[in-house]
Amino acid sequence: GAVVSQHPSWVICKSGTSVKIECRSLDFQATTMFWYRQFPKQSLMLMATSNEGSKATYEQGVEKDKFLINHASLTLSTLTVTSAHPEDSSFYICSARQGVSYEQYFGPGTRLTVT
Amino acid sequence: AQSVTQPDIHITVSEGASLELRCNYSYGATPYLFWYVQSPGQGLQLLLKYFSGDTLVQGIKGFEAEFKRSQSSFNLRKPSVHWSDAAEYFCAVGEPNAGNNRKLIWGLGTSLAVNP
Repeated sequence: GAVVSQHPSWVICKSGTSVKIECRSLDFQATTMFWYRQFPKQSLMLMATSNEGSKATYEQGVEKDKFLINHASLTLSTLTVTSAHPEDSSFYICSARQGVSYEQYFGPGTRLTVT
Repeated sequence: AQSVTQPDIHITVSEGASLELRCNYSYGATPYLFWYVQSPGQGLQLLLKYFSGDTLVQGIKGFEAEFKRSQSSFNLRKPSVHWSDAAEYFCAVGEPNAGNNRKLIWGLGTSLAVNP
């Protein structure tokens, strides 16, 4: 149980275009989803926390207008990287949790390359 | 500010040897403690967690961790490492009494290599 999927697993896009990443909780209702960014050989950097039906809470230094997060249902959250640039290339990971637990269940990640 | 420290960036052990990965935290109260593993091409997987009670916690894949309040530590151990344990290991803590803001604070990770 507690499976989280991400789609796509990897994506290449051209500079200036937008790309959407989906995160789904497959067998549970995720009241909260988290979006992380991970650079090679580095730790996870929390970008934002999203609660179903509410606006996402962004961490300091994360551009809200560049990284649009939507959590429209209890099983789906999306991250849209708008007007992507090469510096946005990274590994994006989502996680989800049930209720108010601290425990998070992670998706396999999405590798974004902006050319 | 609250923080999580994993002092060892990279560790190499021989297969069959014992392993200890260190994790220290700075919180006033006892936080919620987690160890996750990230294998190449796979998502992060929870190895074990500590909320309260017995300070020695058993996890999956033969791992255990011991919470030591006096040392603010939550070190991960395994008595005999297998080649498949080569991965990135992350310690994470959750701030108690955080209400709805229950996010995890992450250490920088320890990369484990296993020699045959």
